[in-house]
Amino acid sequence: ETGVTQTPRHLVMGMTNKKSLKCEQHLGHNAMYWYKQSAKKPLELMFVYSLEERVENNSVPSRFSPECPNSSHLFLHLHTLQPEDSALYLCASSQEQGINYGYTFGSGTRLTVV
Amino acid sequence: GNSVTQMEGPVTLSEEAFLTINCTYTATGYPSLFWYVQYPGEGLQLLLKATKADDKGSNKGFEATYRKETTSFHLEKGSVQVSDSAVYFCALRLLGNYQLIWGAGTKLIIKP
Repeated sequence: ETGVTQTPRHLVMGMTNKKSLKCEQHLGHNAMYWYKQSAKKPLELMFVYSLEERVENNSVPSRFSPECPNSSHLFLHLHTLQPEDSALYLCASSQEQGINYGYTFGSGTRLTVV
Repeated sequence: GNSVTQMEGPVTLSEEAFLTINCTYTATGYPSLFWYVQYPGEGLQLLLKATKADDKGSNKGFEATYRKETTSFHLEKGSVQVSDSAVYFCALRLLGNYQLIWGAGTKLIIKP
C-alpha cells in the first residue's frame, strides 16, 4: 500500500474518553505532520516530526499528545477533549529536505466530541 | 512575514465556464508554489506545483504560472466540470524550511 493512511476515518468520543488517531506512510518520507481543520478556519499546524523527533509544537493544549515511534508511523493521543476540538484531523508526510516537494496527505479522521 | 492570500469564496460557476482562482504571496526568499485540492470528505491532494519563476504547473486541465513580478500563482481551467467542485488551497514552501504556508482556501461550486 502506498500513500498516507489514517485510521479511524470517523471517531465519536466523550469528553472523558481516551482515544488515539493513527497515521501510516509508506513513501519513505522523513517528516510527518498533524493538522487540524475546523469549519471556516484556516488549516492549523499542530505538530511536526522530522526524523522521528518533534520539531514543532504550535501551542497545542496538552490534551493532545503526539507520538512518532518510527519514520513510518505517527499517532495523536487524545484525552479529556472539549467539544470545540471536534474537527477533521489530517496527517501529512514529506521529504524534510527539498523545496520542490509538497506534502502527501491522508484522508483525515473526522472527530466529534460529545 | 511569509504569507499566502487567496480570493474568498465560494466561487460559483456553471459547467464549462472558465475558472480563475487568484493567489498572491509574500515571501522573503524564492519559494516553491503549490495548489492543493480537497474534495468533500477527503484530505488534501497535490494538484500542481511550480518551483521557479515562469514555470507553469499543470494537471487535470488546471494550470498555474509562477509570476515573480506580480508574486502570483493564479489557478485556471478552461472548462470546469461538476466534479471539480471542491476547496482549493494555494501554498508556498521556502528553501530550508519544511513547513508549507497555506492560503485560507477557496470553495468552488460548479452547477450543471
